[in-house]
Amino acid sequence: NAGVTQTPKFQVLKTGQSMTLQCAQDMNHNSMYWYRQDPGMGLRLIYYSASEGTTDKGEVPNGYNVSRLNKREFSLRLESAAPSQTSVYFCASNTLQGRNTEAFFGQGTRLTVV
Amino acid sequence: AQSVAQPEDQVNVAEGNPLTVKCTYSVSGNPYLFWYVQYPNRGLQFLLKYITGDNLVKGSYGFEAEFNKSQTSFHLKKPSALVSDSALYFCAVRDTSGTYKYIFGTGTRLKVLA
Repeated sequence: NAGVTQTPKFQVLKTGQSMTLQCAQDMNHNSMYWYRQDPGMGLRLIYYSASEGTTDKGEVPNGYNVSRLNKREFSLRLESAAPSQTSVYFCASNTLQGRNTEAFFGQGTRLTVV
Repeated sequence: AQSVAQPEDQVNVAEGNPLTVKCTYSVSGNPYLFWYVQYPNRGLQFLLKYITGDNLVKGSYGFEAEFNKSQTSFHLKKPSALVSDSALYFCAVRDTSGTYKYIFGTGTRLKVLA
């Protein structure tokens, strides 16, 4: 039972390069999320997808785009990476839109932009 | 705006002693509250949640949390700390405005000293 799988685990980019972070879940969850984690800032929501076919901006969406490819997959794209996007990125999912359910997290992608 | 505050960046406790990690929240309506733990280089793991009912919630690894509506708090507790409990702990609240987002605190690093 893999849960939420993120690829890659580590990545170094040069300023201006682009890349896509992949996330897939095998729990038949409806909602998926992308967070970034920075020291002293906790987790901040970048984008989320309440259900297949919908995406919405979170707290810090600038510089990012997302695609909910199907129910399983939710990708995060950096079109032109900047050093301020150096962070650890987490994908999460949960089963229902009801508020009483917890989210399940992937292992994270550590991204460094030089 | 809905928010979660974790007032302590770090908590140190001796092994065998009780521990408390503090969390206060601000939401409109009934709160749905969660605690997660993060070990080094890992994703977040769900510990426990408060939805409704008993104010004392029991979770994984011997942790429990006390919900206090009048003080808008949801403190994480454990009667006897273990060195292996050393990790980063996050409190979160589910957004009540219909977006179903999770709003996280900034995290508290727990160090249990042998």
